[in-house]
Amino acid sequence: QSGLTQPASVSGSPGQSITISCTGTSSDVGGYKYVSWYQHHPGKAPKLMIYDVSNRPSGVSNRFSGSKSGNTASLTISGLQAEDEADYYCSSYTTSSTLAVFGGGTKVTVL
Amino acid sequence: QVHLEQSGGEVVKPGASVKVSCKASGYTFTSYGFSWVRQVPGQGLEWMGWISGYNGNTRSTQKVQGRLTMTTDTSTSTAYMELRNLRSDDTALYYCARDNRDYGHYYFDYWGQGTLVTVSS
Repeated sequence: QSGLTQPASVSGSPGQSITISCTGTSSDVGGYKYVSWYQHHPGKAPKLMIYDVSNRPSGVSNRFSGSKSGNTASLTISGLQAEDEADYYCSSYTTSSTLAVFGGGTKVTVL
Repeated sequence: QVHLEQSGGEVVKPGASVKVSCKASGYTFTSYGFSWVRQVPGQGLEWMGWISGYNGNTRSTQKVQGRLTMTTDTSTSTAYMELRNLRSDDTALYYCARDNRDYGHYYFDYWGQGTLVTVSS
């Protein structure tokens, strides 16, 4: 099974904005509005940051935003802070035999 | 508030089975299903399977199909994941996550803390 494609790493200075891409196909990212993003600090439970492409759960900072164009979804973190340093994973509904697929993860480093 | 508490880490021999539990609290247990997700050391997240909170239906990836059994116990609000015939490449951190697909929403809004399963002779 092929997963979604994310860059291995993205970095930025405090206060800057960064964007993480998540590329799939028309069977997953491109075909549905069901992309979600998770923040994962090693040793902790992953945390839902964005669902349905661009919706933020209650309690998630509005510095996090999501969008989608074609087969590529994006997570933007604005006003980068030290606490944002973590791994980020995208996920999508898929029409393949599996019901969900994840990206390989992107390590965000705050310089 | 919603909380998922998983069982402790396990060391198991190749060919053996492991059963991981995920006790839920803070919401009506039968209103949501669960997905199980694992992370092999140094790698990304891998979705393994899902059990419906609505009717107990299950789906899993071909990679673990035939070896994975997911169940729930409504009397204790606990979900279980049993993986059989373990191999060394099953060594991973296993997560349970509350799954919203019974409502037509495809995301995991709460996660357990993870259970490390080490397969070693």
